[in-house]
Amino acid sequence: QQPVQSPQAVILREGEDAVINCSSSKALYSVHWYRQKHGEAPVFLMILLKGGEQKGHDKISASFNEKKQQSSLYLTASQLSYSGTYFCGTVGGGADGLTFGKGTHLIIQP
Amino acid sequence: DVKVTQSSRYLVKRTGEKVFLECVQDMDHENMFWYRQDPGLGLRLIYFSYDVKMKEKGDIPEGYSVSREKKERFSLILESASTNQTSMYLCATSGPASNQPQHFGDGTRLSIL
Repeated sequence: QQPVQSPQAVILREGEDAVINCSSSKALYSVHWYRQKHGEAPVFLMILLKGGEQKGHDKISASFNEKKQQSSLYLTASQLSYSGTYFCGTVGGGADGLTFGKGTHLIIQP
Repeated sequence: DVKVTQSSRYLVKRTGEKVFLECVQDMDHENMFWYRQDPGLGLRLIYFSYDVKMKEKGDIPEGYSVSREKKERFSLILESASTNQTSMYLCATSGPASNQPQHFGDGTRLSIL
């Protein structure tokens, strides 16, 4: 089952904050976040593991609430370079591959 | 840096043809994956492999098969291509554990006429 991402699309001005949510109907072992720019391959951002982890680098951080089977990606003081489509990928344990959400399109305007 | 190379960026084939998409990685990764990406649907897992000659079905394996004869190479095969298999195909690799990041190739845009 694909995780559900929200919102589907968001348009921001440079410097504004954004939150992208990812929720799953099944128990999760870990959550991956990727960003894809138009015409390019998805690029890894971070992985969060069971245990209610929070992670971040630069102005992009994420949290994982395993009880609620949800993860959120936080983009603070957004930059033009943050534009792209963000995907969460969930792992349910075992030898499963990633199951990706449908993506959230983020557009940052000057 | 991990390098994942897909044999073609663009490919045009005819309905009914047998199509091979090739993916080669240079990082000695155990896991390799094939996804297809369609607008509004995100990335969907077709097949993955966690070792040579091992394969597992993903979420949408119908109409596809795979081959992994060597660790560095993972092939996706469309046995009899159909127009609904027109899509962007992405290969990815990762280390052995599911908490390892996946590294993607640049993708093959396949058109079936």
